[in-house]
Amino acid sequence: DAKTTQPNSMESNEEEPVHLPCNHSTISGTDYIHWYRQLPSQGPEYVIHGLTSNVNNRMASLAIAEDRKSSTLILHRATLRDAAVYYCIPTGGGSQGNLIFGKGTKLSVKP
Amino acid sequence: DGGITQSPKYLFRKEGQNVTLSCEQNLNHDAMYWYRQDPGQGLRLIYYSQIVNDFQKGDIAEGYSVSREKKESFPLTVTSAQKNPTAFYLCASSIETTVLSYEQYFGPGTRLTVT
Repeated sequence: DAKTTQPNSMESNEEEPVHLPCNHSTISGTDYIHWYRQLPSQGPEYVIHGLTSNVNNRMASLAIAEDRKSSTLILHRATLRDAAVYYCIPTGGGSQGNLIFGKGTKLSVKP
Repeated sequence: DGGITQSPKYLFRKEGQNVTLSCEQNLNHDAMYWYRQDPGQGLRLIYYSQIVNDFQKGDIAEGYSVSREKKESFPLTVTSAQKNPTAFYLCASSIETTVLSYEQYFGPGTRLTVT
């Protein structure tokens, strides 16, 4: 399974963009990059995933480096409801479908 | 609304008692998972099931048992053999396990406290 490195914590101001980085230098060619977030005392919530190309959905954008060794989750306008722990998870062929969660990045959003 | 339900939200038990956590989904998903989360940590896989009447151990299965008699249901029993059962337990489901692009849907979790 690919190892990931994420900052322990980040801060943002409300309504400003947030860029959450993730390094996954040992990712294999077939691993998808998934991002989940977990609000306090709740189950994780799917945010976005991608393989090679940048991806956009209603929640966020995912920018994947050309060599796929890193990716960045972009929240275009942070709200107070975006305060959560964000997990970057490469999903590989040996995982049997389960997700390997690290400690993630705790995002704080200031009003 | 489709989703995953877990009950109860909070559960208290005395040491030495077995306890069963409920997980139900109405998403018609084949795969279901149980994770455990300790304070400040990520999730760790306990058991998973790819299809009815079949399940496999995850990374930390010791002291836990599961069943999958129905597609919709995947209950987890925390036995007295589990050394540190106090934790936040999360159930999840996905369409299947073999296609890596599918996302998992998580329930709200059950916080178990054993004293």
